[in-house]
Amino acid sequence: SAVISQKPSRDICQRGTSLTIQCQVDSQVTMMFWYRQQPGQSLTLIATANQGSEATYESGFVIDKFPISRPNLTFSTLTVSNMSPEDSSIYLCSVEVWGLDTIYFGEGSWLTVV
Amino acid sequence: GQQLNQSPQSMFIQEGEDVSMNCTSSSIFNTWLWYKQEPGEGPVLLIALYKAGELTSNGRLTAQFGITRKDSFLNISASIPSDVGIYFCAGRKGGGSQGNLIFGKGTKLSVKP
Repeated sequence: SAVISQKPSRDICQRGTSLTIQCQVDSQVTMMFWYRQQPGQSLTLIATANQGSEATYESGFVIDKFPISRPNLTFSTLTVSNMSPEDSSIYLCSVEVWGLDTIYFGEGSWLTVV
Repeated sequence: GQQLNQSPQSMFIQEGEDVSMNCTSSSIFNTWLWYKQEPGEGPVLLIALYKAGELTSNGRLTAQFGITRKDSFLNISASIPSDVGIYFCAGRKGGGSQGNLIFGKGTKLSVKP
């Protein structure tokens, strides 16, 4: 498996501000993903974080709103830009560990926008 | 986006009872995964299934990858209070650009002592 550390774990943010979430993995991973989980809902993929190139976004998510970086194999960031209350969600980093055909999740970053 | 059909949506059971939940899809998946999420935490992987027909156990949990590759079930035997949480199925079509997970809506399990 992998140990996935996300920061911050929880935050209360003002409307109109931006927040960057960090994801650090303790082992080499092939793929990194960012998911959103709205209150009481299932998980929805935001984008696949690609090392050294632009992330691949799912329908309904755009780079201007959710810029993503992945400078190396074990680290990625997700920024939630110009936040509104509708962005209040859990944001989850997930990874595929090298050699294992499965996906592991971090503990999530719980954002509340007021 | 696409979602898996997961049922039941919620379950209220007595401690000691067995639990069964399942997921179906109109698409074929190459991997089925089952996760459990407790309040305040991210999803934790319970069981991963890689071959059609595969039956895998993890303690009191047993999961199967359907022969058609379009469904999977998870059973929990002799439930205990710490089994409480939301269980998600997830399907994966492949690696690379097909490597992301598609999730069911979850089954919320409540266990009465």
